[in-house]
Amino acid sequence: EAGVAQSPRYKIIEKRQSVAFWCNPISGHATLYWYQQILGQGPKLLIQFQNNGVVDDSQLPKDRFSAERLKGVDSTLKIQPAKLEDSAVYLCASSLDGLSYEQYFGPGTRLTVT
Amino acid sequence: GQSLEQPSEVTAVEGAIVQINCTYQTSGFYGLSWYQQHDGGAPTFLSYNALDGLEETGRFSSFLSRSDSYGYLLLQELQMKDSASYFCAVRGSNDYKLSFGAGTTVTVRA
Repeated sequence: EAGVAQSPRYKIIEKRQSVAFWCNPISGHATLYWYQQILGQGPKLLIQFQNNGVVDDSQLPKDRFSAERLKGVDSTLKIQPAKLEDSAVYLCASSLDGLSYEQYFGPGTRLTVT
Repeated sequence: GQSLEQPSEVTAVEGAIVQINCTYQTSGFYGLSWYQQHDGGAPTFLSYNALDGLEETGRFSSFLSRSDSYGYLLLQELQMKDSASYFCAVRGSNDYKLSFGAGTTVTVRA
């Protein structure tokens, strides 16, 4: 079974630029999550999708971050414009549904904002 | 909201036993999960406790006491490959979201 795929793996941008991350969850998983993990901290949930609908985006900085999950499969997370404090690893995870206690994480995208 | 506390670092030798404690404060509790993350890697699921007691999976065991808002992960017969960060995560009963602790870095020495 293929795992959660993410790209790119690394990205370096200057502040005020924009960036987009892509995630392909495990086939058949209805729930998709985007987490932000700052160095030395645990992952923090940014947004949760159930199929192509948003379940929770309470911790997403909506003035600069946006995410979509068209057709209930792949998802993209965008930051525009980026700030220095956005430097982090962005992790995508998926689960069978929102009640599943096991989440499967992708390898993440390491973003450095200079 | 949720807050979790776990030690930042633990060092032990191969073959030893390590216990990582996790205390939490939450407005609504559904379960406690543990994830392992190697440096530069993806978090991987280890265990989940919804009820009080001990869950054993091979060399790893996880314990939960809901009355004490406390759990632990027990790593037995430590191996070098167990060097990683270990995160406890509380699942809220209102929204089923996972809130992660800051992680415990386990270093296994020969």
